[in-house]
Amino acid sequence: DTGVSQDPRHKITKRGQNVTFRCDPISEHNRLYWYRQTLGQGPEFLTYFQNEAQLEKSRLLSDRFSAERPKGSFSTLEIQRTEQGDSAMYLCASSFFGQGNYGYTFGSGTRLTVV
Amino acid sequence: AQRVTQPEKLLSVFKGAPVELKCNYSYSGSPELFWYVQYSRQRLQLLLRHISRESIKGFTADLNKGETSFHLKKPFAQEEDSAMYYCALRTSGTYKYIFGTGTRLKVLA
Repeated sequence: DTGVSQDPRHKITKRGQNVTFRCDPISEHNRLYWYRQTLGQGPEFLTYFQNEAQLEKSRLLSDRFSAERPKGSFSTLEIQRTEQGDSAMYLCASSFFGQGNYGYTFGSGTRLTVV
Repeated sequence: AQRVTQPEKLLSVFKGAPVELKCNYSYSGSPELFWYVQYSRQRLQLLLRHISRESIKGFTADLNKGETSFHLKKPFAQEEDSAMYYCALRTSGTYKYIFGTGTRLKVLA
C-alpha cells in the first residue's frame, strides 16, 4: 500500500498520560499535514511540514502538543498530559509541492479517546 | 477571518434526482476551493478542485467569486454517491486548508 499510513488506528488513554501518533506519508510527498477532527466538525488544521521544516502551526496547538518530522519522511505527533477535550480523530495528510496544488492524500486517522 | 460554510448537515434526495451541496466561503483574496468526500468506512479523499474545472463521477463545481460560493452539483444522483462531503478553502501564501463542517448526502432508492 503506497498511501498515507497512520499508527495506531485507535488509542484509549487515561487523562494525564502522554500519547504519540505516527504518520508515514507517500514517499514522494514532501509536505505533511496534521489535522484534528471532532464529531460533527470538519478537519481543523494543526500543523504542516515541508521536508523536515515545520512551516506553520495553528493556535489550536497548545504547548502540550508537539510534532516532528526529523528526516523529512515520517512524522510524529505527541500530546502530553492528555485532557478529555483532546478526544478526537487525528488525521495526517501529505502532498507534493512543486507540481501545483493537487490536493492532499489523507490517512485513515488515529482515533484518540481520553477517559 | 477566513471561513467555509456548509449550511446543510444532511441532504436527502431520491435516486435520479439532481443534487446541489452548498458551500460558501469568506476570504477577500484569491481562493482555491476543493471538495473532499468520505464514503462509509473510507478515508477522506479529494473529489475535485476548482482550478481544474473537471467533472468527477458526474459532479461539477463552479467557483462564483461574486457570491463567494463553490456549490457541488450532479444532475442525477446515484445511491453510491451517499457519503459525507466537505468543502475546503486554501488561501494565498499557505498550504493549509480550512474545511467546512460537512454535508451528509443520502441518496434514497
